Amino acid sequence: GNSVTQMEGPVTLSEEAFLTINCTYTATGYPSLFWYVQYPGEGLQLLLKATKADDKGSNKGFEATYRKETTSFHLEKGSVQVSDSAVYFCALIQGGSEKLVFGKGTKLTVNP
Amino acid sequence: SQTIHQWPATLVQPVGSPLSLECTVEGTSNPNLYWYRQAAGRGLQLLFYSVGIGQISSEVPQNLSASRPQDRQFILSSKKLLLSDSGFYLCAWCPSSGGVPQYFGPGTRLLVL
Repeated sequence: GNSVTQMEGPVTLSEEAFLTINCTYTATGYPSLFWYVQYPGEGLQLLLKATKADDKGSNKGFEATYRKETTSFHLEKGSVQVSDSAVYFCALIQGGSEKLVFGKGTKLTVNP
Repeated sequence: SQTIHQWPATLVQPVGSPLSLECTVEGTSNPNLYWYRQAAGRGLQLLFYSVGIGQISSEVPQNLSASRPQDRQFILSSKKLLLSDSGFYLCAWCPSSGGVPQYFGPGTRLLVL
């Protein structure tokens, strides 16, 4: 079946540090890929998405590239801020399916 | 634009009591609707989804049930809560054409004592 694996957290960084959160997936066919962010006490917000190989999703300084050859969708940001502290979820959906498959989430804490 | 509402925001209930959580979506028609639970340290678990009025698919056997009495209303219920039902319940929607992507509500935090 389809699955998403993301790096174990928590991740703690200083402000302005470079961020990478790894995400790899297993799927049949060509899924669409997503990163969601959950701020403390809130629901999930869609951060970015990519629907086909080599697509780059970007938003709020975050980027992720759909790499079919490595089945990866790593999240990156060049300079994190304290306000980026949150839990980040990688997810996929298979074409024709109704269901998102989520990774377990990675908690990021950014210290001033 | 579309918005999704959930209520209540927080709920504390005794074991054995009933439950009703409500989710409504505005600004769209015939959405797919989803209930997820997020328990501490366990990630997101899909509980139910619905592609239309009265159509409910259950993903995990449990003492919870879901109903969709109207196009944009999705209700999560239980007749008797268990301690293990505590968690953060999230409703989500997506266009009926397919789940790309899903949009989440603000969530309901449920504590069963």
